Amino acid sequence: SQQGEEDPQALSIQEGENATMNCSYKTSINNLQWYRQNSGRGLVHLILIRSNEREKHSGRLRVTLDTSKKSSSLLITASRAADTASYFCATDAGGSNYKLTFGKGTLLTVNP
Amino acid sequence: NAGVTQTPKFRVLKTGQSMTLLCAQDMNHEYMYWYRQDPGMGLRLIHYSVGEGTTAKGEVPDGYNVSRLKKQNFLLGLESAAPSQTSVYFCASSYGTSRLSYEQYFGPGTRLTVT
Repeated sequence: SQQGEEDPQALSIQEGENATMNCSYKTSINNLQWYRQNSGRGLVHLILIRSNEREKHSGRLRVTLDTSKKSSSLLITASRAADTASYFCATDAGGSNYKLTFGKGTLLTVNP
Repeated sequence: NAGVTQTPKFRVLKTGQSMTLLCAQDMNHEYMYWYRQDPGMGLRLIHYSVGEGTTAKGEVPDGYNVSRLKKQNFLLGLESAAPSQTSVYFCASSYGTSRLSYEQYFGPGTRLTVT
């Protein structure tokens, strides 16, 4: 079963706008990761946030984690057409740091 | 470094045929994983390995077998392919306990169609 669920399933924005994607999960975690997948390609790791962290930044990415609500959000600021991709959250449910469970993803389309 | 590579990139099988998918990594990673990705389902873990000579079942292991005879290689076998195994298969690897790093590195995928 899916541990993480992304919302929305699809998001379409204009270049320069910000994009926010959300992830909810069911059981306690050690860390949560976000991955990007360009069409027809493998997944690429974006950022990891640990359960004792509330916010993390990497370039134009900002990730928040609310363990009380079992949710995370990924914000991409000043989006570019090259950001068009599917974005997945992944959690380490079951106590293993190394075995991940992926959500179904959010398809982000950035229109030039 | 090539990272994670997968062979083949595409394959069409008839029901009942067998095949082996090969995954290779050159990053000296301890852990390796096989996932399948189906439309609307995200990625689901088939089998994984925490070291040479060890394998374990994931979420959807039925119909698949794996072997990890060498640290850098992780093979996924389908003994008798079924149409339900039509999917895109991804291999991934991670450092595991050697560096306490949990990021997974993915291969480009193998698109398998079973007719």
